[in-house]
Amino acid sequence: EVQLVESGGGLVQPGGSLRLSCAASGFTFSSYSMNWVRQAPGKGLEWVSYISTSSSVIYYADSVKGRFTISRDNARNSLYLQMNSLRVEDTAVYYCARALHSSGSIPPRFWGQGTLVTVSS
Amino acid sequence: DIQMTQSPSTLSASVGDRVTITCRASQSISNWLAWYQQKPGKAPKLLIYDASSLESGVPSRFSGSGSGTDFTLTISSLQPDDFATYYCQQYPGAFGQGTKVEIK
Repeated sequence: EVQLVESGGGLVQPGGSLRLSCAASGFTFSSYSMNWVRQAPGKGLEWVSYISTSSSVIYYADSVKGRFTISRDNARNSLYLQMNSLRVEDTAVYYCARALHSSGSIPPRFWGQGTLVTVSS
Repeated sequence: DIQMTQSPSTLSASVGDRVTITCRASQSISNWLAWYQQKPGKAPKLLIYDASSLESGVPSRFSGSGSGTDFTLTISSLQPDDFATYYCQQYPGAFGQGTKVEIK
């Protein structure tokens, strides 16, 4: 069974930093691309970042480019999101999500339960 | 960045109705388009990928069509379990703003 468990969320002041982790199990982590997606309270889904299997291809949403860094450790079956210069508008539940297939179609198919990040003074 | 625009934002319908949601990309995305269903407090559920491929286990009343910049999600006969919010996504990348399907 595919499992994704996010951790690292919490309350942080504007301008602060936070590192989210996503522990993966139940599949060959190194074979699948991964995403971070967030959802502000009462708002829609916002794609944040994408990383390919070998970390050779990385994309970011404009809203986080230059402030957030996605990474993965295939030996540890883990995905990360380093978030710096946090803003109030970064407050959201952050989900990690695995691609549907190991190649070809890569929409997010399996999702974690999410971790809440609150940016407030 | 590619922008995704969904319409309508809210849709009121009755059980048994045929429902259509549209999604437009700001530039061609070929068929790299997915549709998701989300219910309150839950993670999104993948319904359709590659614009028209039905994800395993999803009822056949859901269908997707389109390519390039214009896409549609159709629910052929709305069921009680289908009242939810629906999102399109060009992958990897932006989601549409969502369409809430409400009971009429």
